[in-house]
Amino acid sequence: NAGVTQTPKFQVLKTGQSMTLQCAQDMNHEYMSWYRQDPGMGLRLIHYSVGAGITDQGEVPNGYNVSRSTTEDFPLRLLSAAPSQTSVYFCASSETTGVNSPLHFGNGTRLTVT
Amino acid sequence: AQSVTQPDIHITVSEGASLELRCNYSYGATPYLFWYVQSPGQGLQLLLKYFSGDTLVQGIKGFEAEFKRSQSSFNLRKPSVHWSDAAEYFCAVGDSNYQLIWGAGTKLIIKP
Repeated sequence: NAGVTQTPKFQVLKTGQSMTLQCAQDMNHEYMSWYRQDPGMGLRLIHYSVGAGITDQGEVPNGYNVSRSTTEDFPLRLLSAAPSQTSVYFCASSETTGVNSPLHFGNGTRLTVT
Repeated sequence: AQSVTQPDIHITVSEGASLELRCNYSYGATPYLFWYVQSPGQGLQLLLKYFSGDTLVQGIKGFEAEFKRSQSSFNLRKPSVHWSDAAEYFCAVGDSNYQLIWGAGTKLIIKP
């Protein structure tokens, strides 16, 4: 009963390094998304996907890339890390793209960029 | 522009006391409203949601929320809190495209 699995849980990067945050769900959900959570700002949507092969930008997409080659996986790539990308990142999925389909969240990845 | 305001950054209540967490929204159409809870080190979990109909909605863990259109509010309540309710609570408003706007969260602290 894994749900949404994110790896790694913690990561420290130097400015300019690249990395990929992994997200996998085993519920056959259509919709997947990435959020960042910063103190006092709630959650902000980075990118989302409504199905395999389809991705779109959210509120704060700059500096991040995504792809959705399978229904299960939705990795988030940081191309050249910056200190402003220090944050907690959450992956979420839902069964459909409808608003009545609740989001299921992973446990987050805490990223520090020095 | 759509927005969600949670006026209280922190709230401290005694175990067994009642709780009300405030949420105000700004949205042009009929909103879809949500409350999520985040326990320390965890992802968010849906507590309850309002789409239409009865303005008092029941959720998990004994929580309820009331939608008041005239006040643009969707406050979360619980009659008697338990130590396990200590967490951060997020209000969100969604549109028909399922784009959620999130409040900044309210951290609930429980005094023994």
